[in-house]
Amino acid sequence: DAKTTQPPSMDCAEGRAANLPCNHSTISGNEYVYWYRQIHSQGPQYIIHGLKNNETNEMASLIITEDRKSSTLILPHATLRDTAVYYCIARPRAGGTSYGKLTFGQGTILTVHP
Amino acid sequence: GAGVSQSPSNKVTEKGKDVELRCDPISGHTALYWYRQSLGQGLEFLIYFQGNSAPDKSGLPSDRFSAERTGGSVSTLTIQRTQQEDSAVYLCASSRTLLAGRNTGELFFGEGSRLTVL
Repeated sequence: DAKTTQPPSMDCAEGRAANLPCNHSTISGNEYVYWYRQIHSQGPQYIIHGLKNNETNEMASLIITEDRKSSTLILPHATLRDTAVYYCIARPRAGGTSYGKLTFGQGTILTVHP
Repeated sequence: GAGVSQSPSNKVTEKGKDVELRCDPISGHTALYWYRQSLGQGLEFLIYFQGNSAPDKSGLPSDRFSAERTGGSVSTLTIQRTQQEDSAVYLCASSRTLLAGRNTGELFFGEGSRLTVL
């Protein structure tokens, strides 16, 4: 799986957009970009995923660069409850034996402050 | 059930004892995953099942660790002769069927089983 690189920590003011970057310069054409987050003492929670097009759901937006070497997760109006560790993961398409092995790095600790 | 259920939620054991951790996936989810998370660390992949078979066991730390899944549902992670370094939160997740060419991969995680080895 492609290795992803994220900043160790970020701060964001409540109500503002939080933009979390992820570098995945070695991503291959059959790998998706997934984002999960983990709020303290809870299991990780799926946020969004995409291949090459930008994606949006009720939680966030995912912007993937045209060369697919990096992406940005956007929380449009961050709240205090968005304080968590955010993980960016490159994951192969379904069908291969490595599909099930999501590799979680150290992630980005996002702190949303009042 | 409504979500992934794990038991026990907390387990304290003595070094050298065997422990079993159980995971009940979301009904209908054929893929099941085990991860562990040591204090202050990221998630470490252990094993995943597609149905009852485990295509990837590469993350099991040693031969003291084993996992099985029966009936395509419940899974048990067994740690034999526990050591203090086994202390961690063991997380289970499940997802819908893995289909070649289609990515249906959202994982739903349980709350974990916290293991403390004294």
